[in-house]
Amino acid sequence: EAQVTQNPRYLITVTGKKLTVTCSQNMNHEYMSWYRQDPGLGLRQIYYSMNVEVTDKGDVPEGYKVSRKEKRNFPLILESPSPNQTSLYFCASSLDPGRPYGYTFGSGTRLTVV
Amino acid sequence: DQQVKQNSPSLSVQEGRISILNCDYTNSMFDYFLWYKKYPAEGPTFLISISSIKDKNEDGRFTVFLNKSAKHLSLHIVPSQPGDSAVYFCAASRNYGGSQGNLIFGKGTKLSVKP
Repeated sequence: EAQVTQNPRYLITVTGKKLTVTCSQNMNHEYMSWYRQDPGLGLRQIYYSMNVEVTDKGDVPEGYKVSRKEKRNFPLILESPSPNQTSLYFCASSLDPGRPYGYTFGSGTRLTVV
Repeated sequence: DQQVKQNSPSLSVQEGRISILNCDYTNSMFDYFLWYKKYPAEGPTFLISISSIKDKNEDGRFTVFLNKSAKHLSLHIVPSQPGDSAVYFCAASRNYGGSQGNLIFGKGTKLSVKP
């Protein structure tokens, strides 16, 4: 089944403790992206990648890192999480996000930073 | 500055009637627009899209209209069904100049279709 898989689905952590949210896609998509969803703010793009080793900042990149060493994987790294990074995170992939089907999204990771 | 705006946080419609969801954008360089639907505890799913060179695209019960001069698009759902109850996101992209991966979303409109 074609899909974007994120792990974990739920995560509670403490301020300052480094964490990684993994994302993997099995559709051979070139584009991958991370979004966060917050009440009243909609979906905001954190980072995106156009291919292996090619990444760029989205609208809210502060406090996050990404890497794209392989085509299928695009992990999101929080080096020192803070409570304002408590959010619902979505990974997405696409052949071409600006064309008919846009991004295919994963099921989300709900992160709580205390 | 918000480039894609959905000014109605919520909309309530009776089953069988038309639902109209609106979206405005500020960047005239956007060349593709998409609508996504999102249920609770799931990721957004693609619904319908339209290129900036068109003014209408239809897929079953869903039609998207684009008015470039007004920088406005709308999603029409006819007839509305209770299963359409979800949050709908408008999104826009600019596919040149190195921005190809940058898909920008609005804040969403929560549609409730009452039986």
